[in-house]
Amino acid sequence: AQKITQTQPGMFVQEKEAVTLDCTYDTSDPSYGLFWYKQPSSGEMIFLIYQGSYDQQNATEGRYSLNFQKARKSANLVISASQLGDSAMYFCAMREGSGGFKTIFGAGTRLFVKA
Amino acid sequence: SQTIHQWPATLVQPVGSPLSLECTVEGTSNPNLYWYRQAAGRGLQLLFYSVGIGQISSEVPQNLSASRPQDRQFILSSKKLLLSDSGFYLCAWSVGQKGGWEKLFFGSGTQLSVL
Repeated sequence: AQKITQTQPGMFVQEKEAVTLDCTYDTSDPSYGLFWYKQPSSGEMIFLIYQGSYDQQNATEGRYSLNFQKARKSANLVISASQLGDSAMYFCAMREGSGGFKTIFGAGTRLFVKA
Repeated sequence: SQTIHQWPATLVQPVGSPLSLECTVEGTSNPNLYWYRQAAGRGLQLLFYSVGIGQISSEVPQNLSASRPQDRQFILSSKKLLLSDSGFYLCAWSVGQKGGWEKLFFGSGTQLSVL
């Protein structure tokens, strides 16, 4: 069964520094997509970045990059040059190729950016 | 551009009362539609998804039901609310992307408190 694990309930980072949010996953499907979403205090979920299981290179979107280590089944999010506006909940998610339309989410990591 | 509208933003209902949450999507046709629930400080749990008018798939047996009377309208309902139905409800949509993975676009959410 597919599963997403985020082991960091909360993280602190100094403004302008980089931070890594951990995500491990479990699936027996060779085809899957991995996603990261941001949830500010307003509650709305915002898509950040995704990585396909067959993608050869790690995905990047501006200050966000996904450190994809397939053998270790990890998909960590790296935020470079943290900004105060990055303070939010971050969720890792996965969708299996054979799983139809189901995207499952991890429990999330709350990031606090300090000035 | 595509937009998603979800209302109401907050709702306080007594136990045993009915529920109707509505979600509409603009700017796209035949979207896949989803209802997720988020318990306080937790990840998202998929409740229902729909790939077309009148087509509803339930992920978790519960006190809730969903309907899709129109292509871009998704409704979450209950005949009698339970205390355990309290939570943050998020509507989302996606469309198939050739060569990629469907990312979810979320509404602003409804905070439901059942008292």
